[in-house]
Amino acid sequence: GAGVSQTPSNKVTEKGKYVELRCDPISGHTALYWYRQSLGQGPEFLIYFQGTGAADDSGLPNDRFFAVRPEGSVSTLKIQRTERGDSAVYLCASSLTPGGGTEAFFGQGTRLTVV
Amino acid sequence: AQRVTQPEKLLSVFKGAPVELKCNYSYSGSPELFWYVQYSRQRLQLLLRHISRESIKGFTADLNKGETSFHLKKPFAQEEDSAMYYCALITGGSNYKLTFGKGTLLTVNP
Repeated sequence: GAGVSQTPSNKVTEKGKYVELRCDPISGHTALYWYRQSLGQGPEFLIYFQGTGAADDSGLPNDRFFAVRPEGSVSTLKIQRTERGDSAVYLCASSLTPGGGTEAFFGQGTRLTVV
Repeated sequence: AQRVTQPEKLLSVFKGAPVELKCNYSYSGSPELFWYVQYSRQRLQLLLRHISRESIKGFTADLNKGETSFHLKKPFAQEEDSAMYYCALITGGSNYKLTFGKGTLLTVNP
Protein backbone atom coordinates (compact mmCIF):
# COMPACT_ATOMS: atom_id res chain seq x y z
CA GLY A 1 0.00 0.00 0.00
CA ALA A 2 0.90 3.63 -0.24
CA GLY A 3 1.25 4.17 3.48
CA VAL A 4 0.68 2.72 6.91
CA SER A 5 -2.87 1.49 7.20
CA GLN A 6 -4.76 1.07 10.46
CA THR A 7 -8.11 -0.60 10.97
CA PRO A 8 -10.63 0.15 12.20
CA SER A 9 -10.46 3.92 12.06
CA ASN A 10 -12.95 4.13 14.92
CA LYS A 11 -13.89 1.60 17.56
CA VAL A 12 -16.46 1.99 20.30
CA THR A 13 -16.51 -0.73 22.91
CA GLU A 14 -18.03 -1.34 26.30
CA LYS A 15 -15.97 -1.33 29.44
CA GLY A 16 -14.58 -4.77 30.13
CA LYS A 17 -14.59 -5.93 26.53
CA TYR A 18 -11.62 -7.12 24.48
CA VAL A 19 -10.44 -5.20 21.40
CA GLU A 20 -7.91 -5.71 18.65
CA LEU A 21 -6.39 -2.91 16.60
CA ARG A 22 -4.62 -3.74 13.36
CA CYS A 23 -1.68 -2.09 11.64
CA ASP A 24 -0.41 -2.74 8.11
CA PRO A 25 3.02 -1.14 7.78
CA ILE A 26 4.66 0.02 4.59
CA SER A 27 5.94 -3.00 2.68
CA GLY A 28 9.56 -3.75 3.48
CA HIS A 29 9.67 -1.74 6.69
CA THR A 30 11.25 -3.87 9.37
CA ALA A 31 10.61 -1.51 12.28
CA LEU A 32 7.08 -1.00 13.61
CA TYR A 33 5.93 1.15 16.50
CA TRP A 34 2.73 1.68 18.44
CA TYR A 35 1.96 4.98 20.16
CA ARG A 36 -1.04 6.17 22.13
CA GLN A 37 -2.33 9.71 22.00
CA SER A 38 -4.72 10.86 24.68
CA LEU A 39 -6.72 14.06 24.33
CA GLY A 40 -4.52 17.13 24.57
CA GLN A 41 -1.32 15.12 24.69
CA GLY A 42 1.39 14.20 22.25
CA PRO A 43 1.82 10.59 21.15
CA GLU A 44 3.33 8.32 23.80
CA PHE A 45 5.44 5.30 22.96
CA LEU A 46 3.96 1.88 23.66
CA ILE A 47 6.00 -0.78 21.88
CA TYR A 48 8.60 -1.29 19.16
CA PHE A 49 9.02 -4.32 16.91
CA GLN A 50 12.09 -5.15 14.92
CA GLY A 51 10.95 -7.89 12.59
CA THR A 52 8.74 -10.33 14.46
CA GLY A 53 10.05 -9.65 17.93
CA ALA A 54 9.06 -6.96 20.39
CA ALA A 55 12.39 -5.27 20.99
CA ASP A 56 11.00 -2.82 23.52
CA ASP A 57 7.59 -3.05 25.20
CA SER A 58 8.44 -0.71 28.05
CA GLY A 59 5.66 1.71 27.14
CA LEU A 60 2.79 -0.74 27.54
CA PRO A 61 0.85 0.59 30.55
CA ASN A 62 -0.03 -2.77 32.10
CA ASP A 63 -0.54 -6.45 31.32
CA ARG A 64 -3.94 -5.82 29.75
CA PHE A 65 -2.05 -4.57 26.70
CA PHE A 66 -0.29 -6.92 24.34
CA ALA A 67 0.93 -6.67 20.76
CA VAL A 68 2.09 -9.20 18.19
CA ARG A 69 3.70 -9.17 14.79
CA PRO A 70 3.89 -12.87 13.92
CA GLU A 71 5.18 -12.62 10.35
CA GLY A 72 7.14 -9.43 10.62
CA SER A 73 4.59 -7.37 8.75
CA VAL A 74 1.06 -6.82 10.09
CA SER A 75 0.81 -6.06 13.80
CA THR A 76 -2.12 -6.32 16.17
CA LEU A 77 -2.46 -4.42 19.42
CA LYS A 78 -4.71 -6.27 21.83
CA ILE A 79 -6.37 -4.76 24.87
CA GLN A 80 -8.14 -6.95 27.40
CA ARG A 81 -10.79 -5.86 29.90
CA THR A 82 -10.89 -2.36 28.47
CA GLU A 83 -11.29 0.58 30.82
CA ARG A 84 -12.58 4.08 30.14
CA GLY A 85 -9.04 5.37 30.59
CA ASP A 86 -7.96 3.38 27.56
CA SER A 87 -9.91 5.76 25.34
CA ALA A 88 -7.40 7.40 23.03
CA VAL A 89 -6.11 7.45 19.47
CA TYR A 90 -3.76 4.54 18.88
CA LEU A 91 -1.12 5.31 16.28
CA CYS A 92 1.04 2.87 14.38
CA ALA A 93 4.22 3.85 12.57
CA SER A 94 6.81 2.02 10.54
CA SER A 95 10.29 2.76 9.27
CA LEU A 96 12.69 1.05 6.91
CA THR A 97 15.14 0.53 9.74
CA PRO A 98 15.08 1.70 13.35
CA GLY A 99 16.76 4.87 14.43
CA GLY A 100 16.38 8.58 14.13
CA GLY A 101 18.10 8.73 10.78
CA THR A 102 15.22 6.87 9.17
CA GLU A 103 11.85 8.56 8.92
CA ALA A 104 8.96 6.94 10.74
CA PHE A 105 5.71 7.02 8.75
CA PHE A 106 2.51 7.16 10.75
CA GLY A 107 -0.89 5.68 10.07
CA GLN A 108 -4.08 7.67 10.44
CA GLY A 109 -4.76 6.09 13.81
CA THR A 110 -7.57 4.15 15.45
CA ARG A 111 -9.79 6.18 17.74
CA LEU A 112 -10.83 3.90 20.59
CA THR A 113 -13.72 4.93 22.81
CA VAL A 114 -14.56 2.84 25.84
CA VAL A 115 -18.04 3.52 27.18
CA ALA B 1 14.26 10.75 31.77
CA GLN B 2 13.95 12.87 28.67
CA ARG B 3 11.16 15.39 28.30
CA VAL B 4 9.93 17.75 25.59
CA THR B 5 8.12 20.95 26.50
CA GLN B 6 6.06 23.03 24.12
CA PRO B 7 4.91 25.94 26.26
CA GLU B 8 2.24 27.23 23.89
CA LYS B 9 -0.86 25.14 23.39
CA LEU B 10 -2.26 27.65 20.89
CA LEU B 11 -0.58 30.18 18.64
CA SER B 12 -2.41 32.53 16.32
CA VAL B 13 -0.76 34.82 13.76
CA PHE B 14 -1.76 36.71 10.66
CA LYS B 15 -0.73 35.69 7.17
CA GLY B 16 2.65 37.13 6.31
CA ALA B 17 3.72 37.53 9.91
CA PRO B 18 6.73 35.68 11.33
CA VAL B 19 6.00 32.65 13.44
CA GLU B 20 8.05 30.84 16.07
CA LEU B 21 6.90 27.67 17.78
CA LYS B 22 8.88 27.01 20.92
CA CYS B 23 10.33 23.69 21.97
CA ASN B 24 12.57 22.96 24.93
CA TYR B 25 13.92 19.58 25.89
CA SER B 26 15.57 18.00 28.87
CA TYR B 27 18.18 15.36 28.24
CA SER B 28 21.73 15.19 29.45
CA GLY B 29 23.18 13.69 26.29
CA SER B 30 22.97 14.59 22.62
CA PRO B 31 19.46 13.98 21.33
CA GLU B 32 18.15 14.04 17.82
CA LEU B 33 15.35 16.57 17.47
CA PHE B 34 12.40 16.54 15.10
CA TRP B 35 9.35 18.56 14.23
CA TYR B 36 6.24 16.65 13.19
CA VAL B 37 3.13 18.28 11.74
CA GLN B 38 -0.48 17.16 11.53
CA TYR B 39 -2.73 19.04 9.12
CA SER B 40 -6.48 18.86 9.57
CA ARG B 41 -7.79 15.35 8.89
CA GLN B 42 -4.35 14.12 7.86
CA ARG B 43 -1.86 11.83 9.51
CA LEU B 44 1.14 12.87 11.53
CA GLN B 45 4.14 13.47 9.27
CA LEU B 46 7.74 14.49 9.64
CA LEU B 47 8.42 18.15 8.88
CA LEU B 48 12.12 18.38 9.57
CA ARG B 49 14.95 17.01 11.68
CA HIS B 50 17.91 18.89 13.07
CA ILE B 51 20.57 16.59 11.66
CA SER B 52 19.49 17.44 8.12
CA ARG B 53 19.77 21.17 8.69
CA GLU B 54 17.18 21.63 5.98
CA SER B 55 14.39 24.08 5.32
CA ILE B 56 11.03 22.53 4.58
CA LYS B 57 8.07 24.64 3.42
CA GLY B 58 10.02 27.68 4.56
CA PHE B 59 10.41 26.37 8.12
CA THR B 60 13.76 26.10 9.84
CA ALA B 61 14.79 24.97 13.28
CA ASP B 62 18.16 25.30 14.98
CA LEU B 63 19.28 23.13 17.81
CA ASN B 64 20.61 25.26 20.66
CA LYS B 65 22.29 22.92 23.10
CA GLY B 66 23.09 25.71 25.55
CA GLU B 67 19.44 26.61 25.90
CA THR B 68 18.24 23.05 25.18
CA SER B 69 15.86 24.45 22.61
CA PHE B 70 14.75 23.57 19.10
CA HIS B 71 12.36 26.33 18.11
CA LEU B 72 10.60 26.18 14.75
CA LYS B 73 10.58 29.38 12.73
CA LYS B 74 9.13 30.74 9.54
CA PRO B 75 9.59 34.34 8.43
CA PHE B 76 6.24 34.69 6.62
CA ALA B 77 3.39 32.45 7.70
CA GLN B 78 0.87 31.16 5.17
CA GLU B 79 -2.72 30.06 5.79
CA GLU B 80 -1.81 26.52 4.74
CA ASP B 81 0.64 26.37 7.66
CA SER B 82 -2.30 26.09 10.04
CA ALA B 83 -1.84 22.74 11.75
CA MET B 84 -0.81 20.97 14.92
CA TYR B 85 2.95 20.92 15.42
CA TYR B 86 4.78 18.47 17.65
CA CYS B 87 8.38 18.65 18.72
CA ALA B 88 10.00 15.28 19.42
CA LEU B 89 13.32 13.81 20.33
CA ILE B 90 15.15 10.52 20.12
CA THR B 91 17.91 9.69 22.56
CA GLY B 92 20.96 7.61 21.95
CA GLY B 93 20.04 4.85 24.36
CA SER B 94 16.78 4.06 22.58
CA ASN B 95 17.33 5.49 19.17
CA TYR B 96 13.98 4.36 17.84
CA LYS B 97 11.70 5.80 20.52
CA LEU B 98 10.22 9.23 19.86
CA THR B 99 9.35 11.36 22.88
CA PHE B 100 6.82 14.00 21.88
CA GLY B 101 5.77 17.30 23.34
CA LYS B 102 2.09 18.08 23.82
CA GLY B 103 1.92 20.05 20.62
CA THR B 104 1.09 23.59 19.54
CA LEU B 105 -1.93 24.38 17.40
CA LEU B 106 -0.94 27.06 14.92
CA THR B 107 -3.66 29.12 13.29
CA VAL B 108 -2.72 31.50 10.49
CA ASN B 109 -5.45 34.03 9.92
CA PRO B 110 -6.06 35.72 6.55
